[in-house]
Amino acid sequence: SYVLTQPPSVSVAPGQTARITCGGNNIGSKSVHWYQQKPGQAPVLVVYDDSDRPSGIPERFSGSNSGNTATLTISRVEAGDEADYYCQVWDSSSPAVFGGGTKLTVL
Amino acid sequence: EVQLVESGGGLVKPGGSLRLSCAASGFTFSSYSMNWVRQAPGKGLEWVSSISSSSSYIYYADSVKGRFTISRDNAKNSLYLQMNSLRAEDTAVYYCARQRSSMHFDYWGQGTLVTVSS
Repeated sequence: SYVLTQPPSVSVAPGQTARITCGGNNIGSKSVHWYQQKPGQAPVLVVYDDSDRPSGIPERFSGSNSGNTATLTISRVEAGDEADYYCQVWDSSSPAVFGGGTKLTVL
Repeated sequence: EVQLVESGGGLVKPGGSLRLSCAASGFTFSSYSMNWVRQAPGKGLEWVSSISSSSSYIYYADSVKGRFTISRDNAKNSLYLQMNSLRAEDTAVYYCARQRSSMHFDYWGQGTLVTVSS
């Protein structure tokens, strides 16, 4: 089955840029989607199809995908961005694969 | 406004059964594939099952195959998950989620907690 690897945690100071990676074999050939989940809440889609944003998601959230790594970039990080972030792809061997999640801490 | 509201969770003994429901509103339910995704306490997201708009295509995670059954009633705008032979490791919050064409989930319900314990 297809495996997505995320760092368990990322820390960043307010106003700085956070980068959360998602590794997978030739992930650049797949569409990658990203979700934000705050404690006690349902996940929220923040980026889909590698780099598109749903309506209502700030431009500070962006994504890229190439080779074996996809990246979610959060610019000008705010305290309210503190959350768990999950990447997801659809794979023929195992539909709807999620990464293990990354906890973003705003220092 | 798109709304997905899950119900049916609760405490059940190992080996028992439970049926989850997800009531959809604010969109044409019959036009979308739907999914169940779960999250064990303190753990990450795990996809459980998906069903196409007309129920023609159904998929399950290996961890639930043969025990869980996904279904839908487009006339009632409802999604279901019948869970049999429940195990302690099935303890989780279960979310229903709407699937888009590029296989991402754009709307999620608030979740319903299933606890399997004796």
